[in-house]
Amino acid sequence: DVKVTQSSRYLVKRTGEKVFLECVQDMDHENMFWYRQDPGLGLRLIYFSYDVKMKEKGDIPEGYSVSREKKERFSLILESASTNQTSMYLCASSLFSDTQYFGPGTRLTVL
Amino acid sequence: TQLLEQSPQFLSIQEGENLTVYCNSSSVFSSLQWYRQEPGEGPVLLVTVVTGGEVKKLKRLTFQFGDARKDSSLHITAAQPGDTGLYLCAGPFQSNTGKLIFGQGTTLQVKP
Repeated sequence: DVKVTQSSRYLVKRTGEKVFLECVQDMDHENMFWYRQDPGLGLRLIYFSYDVKMKEKGDIPEGYSVSREKKERFSLILESASTNQTSMYLCASSLFSDTQYFGPGTRLTVL
Repeated sequence: TQLLEQSPQFLSIQEGENLTVYCNSSSVFSSLQWYRQEPGEGPVLLVTVVTGGEVKKLKRLTFQFGDARKDSSLHITAAQPGDTGLYLCAGPFQSNTGKLIFGQGTTLQVKP
């Protein structure tokens, strides 16, 4: 079974802090994704990586950056957290096809 | 721009009732997927439909892909409280990069 793990289930940070969200997958998948999920807005793609050190902006990259130094690990970085980044963050991975496997999510609150 | 619109957004029903969730687009998709997300968890793939007119069944869940591959539906027969969750449809971007477009989701609550 594919397993996607995220470093924290719940996180509380203060405005202006630098925040790291980590995601690890154990199935040698090429693609990895970071989404944020807000009520009524569905899943919105923040960043996408299709190979080590390769990344592509999604629909809402502003205020975020990513890092993929190893194939199995994809990190989302909030350079200076703001209250409007309070959300559920979901990481996913996929092989070449379009089926995505999701982690359990990190609920981030920025105070 | 490819968009997927789901309806209804919210559904609250009694155990034993039937329901249908719709996923519509003005664009043609090579395939469509349905995910279910339970509270506190990430979405999990239920099914992928790839052929226009295709019908797939998963126990009490029936998925259909429209003939023109622009829409899909999910029908649940005799809903159970365990069916409660967020149902998401998703389709691949035309560029086939591995990215998916998601509908905004349908929140289903089945009351005992």
